[in-house]
Amino acid sequence: KAGVTQTPRYLIKTRGQQVTLSCSPISGHRSVSWYQQTPGQGLQFLFEYFSETQRNKGNFPGRFSGRQFSNSRSEMNVSTLELGDSALYLCASKMIQGRGGYTFGSGTRLTVV
Amino acid sequence: GQQLNQSPQSMFIQEGEDVSMNCTSSSIFNTWLWYKQDPGEGPVLLIALYKAGELTSNGRLTAQFGITRKDSFLNISASIPSDVGIYFCAGPPDYGGSQGNLIFGKGTKLSVKP
Repeated sequence: KAGVTQTPRYLIKTRGQQVTLSCSPISGHRSVSWYQQTPGQGLQFLFEYFSETQRNKGNFPGRFSGRQFSNSRSEMNVSTLELGDSALYLCASKMIQGRGGYTFGSGTRLTVV
Repeated sequence: GQQLNQSPQSMFIQEGEDVSMNCTSSSIFNTWLWYKQDPGEGPVLLIALYKAGELTSNGRLTAQFGITRKDSFLNISASIPSDVGIYFCAGPPDYGGSQGNLIFGKGTKLSVKP
């Protein structure tokens, strides 16, 4: 069974540009969450989606947005990139809400120059 | 907001040693999760705890949900080289978050003694 797939694995962007990251959850998983990981702030929650609906949003500026499609695939977008947006962006999926942990992908390493 | 404090921040292990780490909070958590992250990979769930006082094992790993609901402990017995990595505690916030909306500690980094 394929795991959570995130594309691309690595990305370099320039300040002011925008970026879209993609996440394909494990087949049958309908819940998807996104996290940002940096050396200074650690792992911070960005968004949670279930059945195409955003259920929770973390404390990030409006430049960070996301969505989930009917096939449960999810994307997140960051507009007007800043140097501080450089991070590992992790996606995690789960079959249904409730007990049991989320399975994380390997992440997308975004570098903003 | 709620925070999770992990200690120690880092530690060195020698093969065969037992390892202990903990996670504390000033507020109550109703679920405690322990993850391990290897370089270049996403975190992997090791143990999930749902009830105060609960003690759960996963092979050589044992974790406990503190009775005050404000702490949790992870022990690794007879460590082996592949135990090296960063261990995170995590839990859903008290404002009704699910396990998709987790607060993470800053991690305990396990390295091999030179």
